[in-house]
Amino acid sequence: KQEVTQIPAALSVPEGENLVLNCSFTDSAIYNLQWFRQDPGKGLTSLLLIQSSQREQTSGRLNASLDKSSGRSTLYIAASQPGDSATYLCAVSLSSGSARQLTFGSGTQLTVLP
Amino acid sequence: DAGVIQSPRHEVTEMGQEVTLRCKPISGHDYLFWYRQTMMRGLELLIYFNNNVPIDDSGMPEDRFSAKMPNASFSTLKIQPSEPRDSAVYFCASSPAGGGYGYTFGSGTRLTVV
Repeated sequence: KQEVTQIPAALSVPEGENLVLNCSFTDSAIYNLQWFRQDPGKGLTSLLLIQSSQREQTSGRLNASLDKSSGRSTLYIAASQPGDSATYLCAVSLSSGSARQLTFGSGTQLTVLP
Repeated sequence: DAGVIQSPRHEVTEMGQEVTLRCKPISGHDYLFWYRQTMMRGLELLIYFNNNVPIDDSGMPEDRFSAKMPNASFSTLKIQPSEPRDSAVYFCASSPAGGGYGYTFGSGTRLTVV
């Protein structure tokens, strides 16, 4: 059974700092990995999607990397801003069959202090 | 496209009552997923459909839960009878065939059973 772990569970940084969020998964036979952002009381917003054949994806100040063999992904946020404060979730979908359900980590709650 | 649309946004009901949650997926998406989010258990997959057919309902907690997808543009999740431990945020998500483009989540329905 696929298990997804995110470390740290919570992180507080001063504005302007670069930071890295970590995600690890136990089954390397993934189809893709997706990073989401969730604001308090809100739904999930997709940030980046990395296919299993890719090593990284970038969107603005965000960069996500994937090392499938070691079962790890990182989300790098450059020049953090108070508006980046949210919970960040990573999720993987497995390669087997036609199943595309996601297995989520428990998230990292990020607070960027002004 | 307006994205995945869920209704209602909030639902407060008394224990024992029937609750119906609704979801309209993105047009053209072949997969539809129902997730539940709680503080204790995070995001859990309840059931998913492919081309309106239920594929895996192993995450449905009890017989009190049922889901239907009568057509490609509508799905319901029903709880009958509802219990306080069903209180959670219920998310609907959809994905194109193959899943290569990732998932889009709705804003969720916050259910409170008193």
